[in-house]
Amino acid sequence: AQSVTQLDSQVPVFEEAPVELRCNYSSSVSVYLFWYVQYPNQGLQLLLKYLSGSTLVKGINGFEAEFNKSQTSFHLRKPSVHISDTAEYFCAVSDYGQNFVFGPGTRLSVLP
Amino acid sequence: DGGITQSPKYLFRKEGQNVTLSCEQNLNHDAMYWYRQDPGQGLRLIYYSQIVNDFQKGDIAEGYSVSREKKESFPLTVTSAQKNPTAFYLCASSMGRDALSQPQHFGDGTRLSIL
Repeated sequence: AQSVTQLDSQVPVFEEAPVELRCNYSSSVSVYLFWYVQYPNQGLQLLLKYLSGSTLVKGINGFEAEFNKSQTSFHLRKPSVHISDTAEYFCAVSDYGQNFVFGPGTRLSVLP
Repeated sequence: DGGITQSPKYLFRKEGQNVTLSCEQNLNHDAMYWYRQDPGQGLRLIYYSQIVNDFQKGDIAEGYSVSREKKESFPLTVTSAQKNPTAFYLCASSMGRDALSQPQHFGDGTRLSIL
């Protein structure tokens, strides 16, 4: 079975600074990868997904992520964050339909 | 506007009482899911259903029950056997029979508390 690690439980960053949220996974098979965002007291919204093809994936709100198979990583990046990006971010992995697993989440706090 | 509707937004349960959380979707998705979210633990899968009249246990099914009589609806009952039910419950859905490989769409959640 696969697992997902998000090493940083909290990431504080100043407005307009770049940010990287880390995600590593373990799986014995090929996977699909996802990033979701959750604003307070709301459900999760899909930011972006990697299914196949180009390893650099662009999503909504200016976010992008890069799939690195050798390092089993799928880190999320944004070159310049806004106050409105303050939220919890979840990485998720699916092993082609057998399991869908979420990471524990990273709380991004954007400071003025 | 297609989406997933969860109700109620807040729910209180007395000791020994069963409560049912509603989840309705108009996305015409085959698969539906229930997750429990606790602080610092991410989402844990309770039950999922890939087709009407069929469902499977997730990682933490004990103390919960579900039904899937209609494609649009997947209610979750938190029974009195669930000793620590206080949590945020999220319902999700995804397209297709190969549902576990598809991105999931989420409702806005129900927050359950014990009185």
